[in-house]
Amino acid sequence: KQEVTQIPAALSVPEGENLVLNCSFTDSAIYNLQWFRQDPGKGLTSLLLIQSSQREQTSGRLNASLDKSSGRSTLYIAASQPGDSATYLCAVSLLAGNTPLVFGKGTRLSVIA
Amino acid sequence: GAVVSQHPSRVICKSGTSVKIECRSLDFQATTMFWYRQFPKQSLMLMATSNEGSKATYEQGVEKDKFLINHASLTLSTLTVTSAHPEDSSFYICSARAVVAVNYGYTFGSGTRLTVV
Repeated sequence: KQEVTQIPAALSVPEGENLVLNCSFTDSAIYNLQWFRQDPGKGLTSLLLIQSSQREQTSGRLNASLDKSSGRSTLYIAASQPGDSATYLCAVSLLAGNTPLVFGKGTRLSVIA
Repeated sequence: GAVVSQHPSRVICKSGTSVKIECRSLDFQATTMFWYRQFPKQSLMLMATSNEGSKATYEQGVEKDKFLINHASLTLSTLTVTSAHPEDSSFYICSARAVVAVNYGYTFGSGTRLTVV
């Protein structure tokens, strides 16, 4: 059974810092990995999608890497801002078809002005 | 991009009543949609997989008679919480994937906060 773990569970940093969020998964046979952002009481916003054949994806200040063989992914946030405060969720898709995502418990990020 | 519309966003109901939550794919067809539940400060837990034109597949521990799922068209899936009780209070969220999308990522609805009093 696929399990996704995110470390740390919570993180508080001053504005402007660069930070790394970690995600690990037990079964390396994934189709893709997706990072989401969730604001309190809200739905999920997709940040980055990495296919299993890719090593990284970038969007603005965000960079996600994937090491499929070791079952790890990181989300790098550069020059953090208070608006980045949210819960960041990592999820993996196991097959190419319509299979559900398996989520980690998330990292709650607070960026202090 | 692929958009999933979910409503209502919030609902408060009395114990014993039923509540219907709708999930629509606005610009793509979704033969499969997924329903998740999220308790405070917890991650999303899959409840069931909704299949267009056939019965939903429920995860272990999820009562199919309590959480009725209907997926009658390629763009609409509904979740009905029957005879709701306070312990059913949670955040419910649906998801679908537009297989014709370039990135094959999943899109989520905005969620429904259910409070049973």
